[in-house]
Amino acid sequence: EAGVAQSPRYKIIEKRQSVAFWCNPISGHATLYWYQQILGQGPKLLIQFQNNGVVDDSQLPKDRFSAERLKGVDSTLKIQPAKLEDSAVYLCASSPGDRGTGELFFGEGSRLTVL
Amino acid sequence: AQSVAQPEDQVNVAEGNPLTVKCTYSVSGNPYLFWYVQYPNRGLQFLLKYITGDNLVKGSYGFEAEFNKSQTSFHLKKPSALVSDSALYFCAVRDTGGATNKLIFGTGTLLAVQP
Repeated sequence: EAGVAQSPRYKIIEKRQSVAFWCNPISGHATLYWYQQILGQGPKLLIQFQNNGVVDDSQLPKDRFSAERLKGVDSTLKIQPAKLEDSAVYLCASSPGDRGTGELFFGEGSRLTVL
Repeated sequence: AQSVAQPEDQVNVAEGNPLTVKCTYSVSGNPYLFWYVQYPNRGLQFLLKYITGDNLVKGSYGFEAEFNKSQTSFHLKKPSALVSDSALYFCAVRDTGGATNKLIFGTGTLLAVQP
């Protein structure tokens, strides 16, 4: 079974530029999560999708971050304009259902450096 | 609100010795607890989970964790450490409030196993 795929793995941009990250979850997984992991901290949820609907985006900085999951499969996370403090690893995860007790399956992450 | 705490930033242990990585939790209701491991430049890998039942949970790579309700702890253990166990370990609790079921992560503990 293929895992969660993310791209690009690494991205370096200047502040005020824009960037987009892509995630393809495990086939059949209805729930998709985007987490932000700043160096030295634990991952923090940015947004959770159930199919193509948003379940939780309470910690997404909506003035600069946006995310979509148009067909309930792939998802894109965009940052525009980027700030220095956005330097982090962006982790995508998926799980089979919305109220399960199972674990989340994570991708390798996309490391963003903002200069 | 649900939360977990990992009191140690780093744990050092000699190869062959037992290891313990500590985690305490704060939840309302029944806790759903998880341990993940993160190797350098990789995503998070699931190790084990506690949902209900036996307080001693066995997981991947020889790891186990002991759920202690009275001490609100969920410590990760391994009888004999390997150099290859050196990595960043995260404890997490599932947030069962509202519509979300996201995982809330601790700040992580770096495990260093010396040969």
